[in-house]
Amino acid sequence: GNSVTQMEGPVTLSEEAFLTINCTYTATGYPSLFWYVQYPGEGLQLLLKATKADDKGSNKGFEATYRKETTSFHLEKGSVQVSDSAVYFCALSDSGGSNYKLTFGKGTLLTVNP
Amino acid sequence: KAGVTQTPRYLIKTRGQQVTLSCSPISGHRSVSWYQQTPGQGLQFLFEYFSETQRNKGNFPGRFSGRQFSNSRSEMNVSTLELGDSALYLCASSFAAGGYTDTQYFGPGTRLTVL
Repeated sequence: GNSVTQMEGPVTLSEEAFLTINCTYTATGYPSLFWYVQYPGEGLQLLLKATKADDKGSNKGFEATYRKETTSFHLEKGSVQVSDSAVYFCALSDSGGSNYKLTFGKGTLLTVNP
Repeated sequence: KAGVTQTPRYLIKTRGQQVTLSCSPISGHRSVSWYQQTPGQGLQFLFEYFSETQRNKGNFPGRFSGRQFSNSRSEMNVSTLELGDSALYLCASSFAAGGYTDTQYFGPGTRLTVL
């Protein structure tokens, strides 16, 4: 079956530090990959996505590259801000079989201190 | 364009009761999915509807059910509530033209507490 593995949190950084959150996946078909962010008390917001190998998704200074050879989709940001403090979820939607659902990782809590 | 809306935002119920949650998708979106979020299990897929038909169902007991109306609005129902049903229930909608490449847009969720 499909699965997503994210690095365990919590992650605590100082403002302007470099961020990496690792994400690897297992899928039966050709998945699309997503990063969602959840701020306290809110639902999930799409941060970025990539739908095929070697695609790079980017938004608000965040980037992630779809690496089929390593089955990875690591999230990076060069300089984090206090406002980036949130929970980040890596997710996939698979082309094979059940392609109308998202499979999520456990989430990584990021705290950015001033 | 208005986002996904969910009502109510908060619910408190007691064991054995039943509950109905409502979701209105983004205008023009025909697919609605439901997810359960708990601290222990994370985000788990419940079911997905498109044009009033359930296309996919997660691994939840039959107490969890849903439906979709002709205007794409959806409801989910949980009968005979258990303490473990306490969770944030998230609804997501998508245009569903491309299937697995589509982006799902999430609502703010309904926080259900079972006492």
